[in-house]
Amino acid sequence: QVQLVQSGAEVKKPGASVKVSCKASGYAITSYDINWVRQATGQGLEWMGWMSLNSGNTGYAQKFQGRVTMTRDTSISTAYMELSSLRSEDTAVYYCASAKGGTRSSYENWGQGTLVTVSS
Amino acid sequence: DIQMTQSPSSLSASVGDRVTITCRASQGISNYLAWFQQKPGKAPKSLIYAASSLQSGVPSKFSGSGSGTDFTLTISNLQPEDSATYYCQQYDSYPRTFGQGTKVEIE
Repeated sequence: QVQLVQSGAEVKKPGASVKVSCKASGYAITSYDINWVRQATGQGLEWMGWMSLNSGNTGYAQKFQGRVTMTRDTSISTAYMELSSLRSEDTAVYYCASAKGGTRSSYENWGQGTLVTVSS
Repeated sequence: DIQMTQSPSSLSASVGDRVTITCRASQGISNYLAWFQQKPGKAPKSLIYAASSLQSGVPSKFSGSGSGTDFTLTISNLQPEDSATYYCQQYDSYPRTFGQGTKVEIE
């Protein structure tokens, strides 16, 4: 299985961008996909998108299309999620989760979460 | 998008009880259903995949069943450490969707 460690908390102003990292460690890392899920305070889980660590292929939730970009740096086994044009409603904890590559794969492990606060 | 509906939204039970949470998909998802446990201030933890298979290291007190549109998560011999919010998620198609969560409290 793949273990995930995320970057630290961020505070951003409305209209800015944030880039959250998710470092993977373990066996056969490039055979995994990384999914991003966010959770506003007191709310449920919201899927944002996925990225293959092997190919870099991505898929985004329609809600975030045009604002989210998922990338990777295979040399350091790290995935990134960048969200632009931030607004107060984007204040949430952002999680990455690993799933074995494939169309229908469940999540095995989760990162510890990164709190992103959007405030003027 | 496939909608996932959990019930109940919350429940309270005693130590030693067995509790069941249900999850219904708005269309058939075969057995592509996962369950997660989330404790306050913590990341979710994967419990079950493929509707009924336990993730590595998850105790056998957790069990899942179902196929198609109706699924259940059962927790046996409820203990204080089982107090958490439980979410189901379908991974049959994109976008992945979650149930709204069921909060389990110990009386």
